[in-house]
Amino acid sequence: KAGVTQTPRYLIKTRGQQVTLSCSPISGHRSVSWYQQTPGQGLQFLFEYFSETQRNKGNFPGRFSGRQFSNSRSEMNVSTLELGDSALYLCASSFAGLAGTDTQYFGPGTRLTVL
Amino acid sequence: TQLLEQSPQFLSIQEGENLTVYCNSSSVFSSLQWYRQEPGEGPVLLVTVVTGGEVKKLKRLTFQFGDARKDSSLHITAAQPGDTGLYLCAGLTSGTYKYIFGTGTRLKVLA
Repeated sequence: KAGVTQTPRYLIKTRGQQVTLSCSPISGHRSVSWYQQTPGQGLQFLFEYFSETQRNKGNFPGRFSGRQFSNSRSEMNVSTLELGDSALYLCASSFAGLAGTDTQYFGPGTRLTVL
Repeated sequence: TQLLEQSPQFLSIQEGENLTVYCNSSSVFSSLQWYRQEPGEGPVLLVTVVTGGEVKKLKRLTFQFGDARKDSSLHITAAQPGDTGLYLCAGLTSGTYKYIFGTGTRLKVLA
């Protein structure tokens, strides 16, 4: 069974640009969550999508958005990039979502560098 | 703001030593998970604990959830170089359906 895949793995952008990251969940999983990981703030929850609907979101500005397609694949978009957006962006999939004991399977992440 | 503090932040030990990593919060969690993350990869789930006072063993790893469900510990017996990595705890607050991750403990086991 293939794991969670994220593309691209590495990305370099400049301030003010926008970026779109992609996540393909494990086959059969309907929930996709996105996280930002930085050395200073650690791993922080961005949002969760389940059956094409955003079910939960963290405390990030509106520049961060996402969507999920009917095949459960998800994309995350960051507009007007800032230097502080440099981070490892992780995607995690699960069958039923963040409901206590459902296991999240993480992808390898996309390393975004903003210059 | 919910916070999960982990201690220590960094740990460098010799192969064969024992160690304990702590995860503390002032918030109550309905469940708590422990992950290990290696460079260039996403976190991998090690265990989920849901009952206050619960103890789970996974080979040389022992996980405990505090009675009040506000804290947890991870104990590794006879550490091996393969245990090297970033250990993260993550708590799920009832009704929010989002995990709060701890600050992380970076472990290095020297051969």
